[in-house]
Amino acid sequence: AQSVTQLDSQVPVFEEAPVELRCNYSSSVSVYLFWYVQYPNQGLQLLLKYLSGSTLVKGINGFEAEFNKSQTSFHLRKPSVHISDTAEYFCAVSSTRDDKIIFGKGTRLHILP
Amino acid sequence: NAGVTQTPKFQVLKTGQSMTLQCAQDMNHEYMSWYRQDPGMGLRLIHYSVGAGITDQGEVPNGYNVSRSTTEDFPLRLLSAAPSQTSVYFCASARGGAAPLHFGNGTRLTVT
Repeated sequence: AQSVTQLDSQVPVFEEAPVELRCNYSSSVSVYLFWYVQYPNQGLQLLLKYLSGSTLVKGINGFEAEFNKSQTSFHLRKPSVHISDTAEYFCAVSSTRDDKIIFGKGTRLHILP
Repeated sequence: NAGVTQTPKFQVLKTGQSMTLQCAQDMNHEYMSWYRQDPGMGLRLIHYSVGAGITDQGEVPNGYNVSRSTTEDFPLRLLSAAPSQTSVYFCASARGGAAPLHFGNGTRLTVT
């Protein structure tokens, strides 16, 4: 069975500062990795995904994430955040064995003016 | 193109009542799933299906049943509602495990 750990439940950051949201996973088989974003009072939408190949993946709205197999991590980064990035961010892992997709508990990103 | 359609949007139940949350998708996706979202708990997988006639349990399946008689529909049944099932429920679909999930707009369920 796979699991996902998002190490920070909330991250405050000043506007235009960089941010990193951390995600670690565990699985006995290969996985696919995703980051989703949920804006206030909305559903979830895909930010980016890692399936294979280059370990650095770029997504929408200037976000990127790096897959690190040895550390079983998939941290999300943005070099300069904006007030519009205020949202909850979810890391998800999909098992290549049974396609089960599991989410982490989420990280709330608070942008400070 | 409607995507993933969930009904109802809101529902209030009394303890012990049963009901079915409906989910339909028009994208011919093989993979469908149900999640519940609770504050501080993220999204927890209830049940999922990789195709018509195939269902499997997720992380929190107790108290819920599903069936997948067609590719398009994946209803979630609450057998005997309990206050612990008060939550926001999301249905999602995808072409497969490597594809991004498409989410419905959610059902906010309150059990009193």
